[in-house]
Amino acid sequence: KAGVTQTPRYLIKTRGQQVTLSCSPISGHRSVSWYQQTPGQGLQFLFEYFSETQRNKGNFPGRFSGRQFSNSRSEMNVSTLELGDSALYLCASSFLAGGAQGEQFFGPGTRLTVL
Amino acid sequence: AQSVTQPDIHITVSEGASLELRCNYSYGATPYLFWYVQSPGQGLQLLLKYFSGDTLVQGIKGFEAEFKRSQSSFNLRKPSVHWSDAAEYFCAVGPGGNKLTFGTGTQLKVEL
Repeated sequence: KAGVTQTPRYLIKTRGQQVTLSCSPISGHRSVSWYQQTPGQGLQFLFEYFSETQRNKGNFPGRFSGRQFSNSRSEMNVSTLELGDSALYLCASSFLAGGAQGEQFFGPGTRLTVL
Repeated sequence: AQSVTQPDIHITVSEGASLELRCNYSYGATPYLFWYVQSPGQGLQLLLKYFSGDTLVQGIKGFEAEFKRSQSSFNLRKPSVHWSDAAEYFCAVGPGGNKLTFGTGTQLKVEL
């Protein structure tokens, strides 16, 4: 069974631009969560989608948004990029939704650099 | 609010030596606890998890962890470290499922 895939793996953008990252979960998984990893703040939860609905949201500004499609693939979008948005963005998929017991499987991440 | 503290930023051990990585959590109810490992350029891999029951949890790659409610701790242990264990280790707590709060991580270096 293929693992979680994230595209692109690396991305360079300039301040003020917007970016879209993609995540394909493990086949059969319906929950996709997104995390931001930075040296200063560590790993922080962004949001979770299950069956095309956002179930949980972390403490990030509205510039960070996401969506999930009917095939469970998810995208996250960051608008008006700031230097501080430079990070590794990790996607994790799970069979179960938030609040239930389950293991999350993480993808390799997308490394976003904002210049 | 829930939080996780990993007091050791870096740890160096010799290959074959035992290992203990510390994790303290703050959570209002019975927590779900996890240990993940991250190798350079990789995502996170789950080593083990605690939901309920036996407080000593066995995981993959020979790791184990013990949940101690009285100390709010969930320390990770391995009796004999291999060079391939060099990586960054994260402790995490959650209400169950997919909204996890992570610690800041412990970077493990293994000396040959």
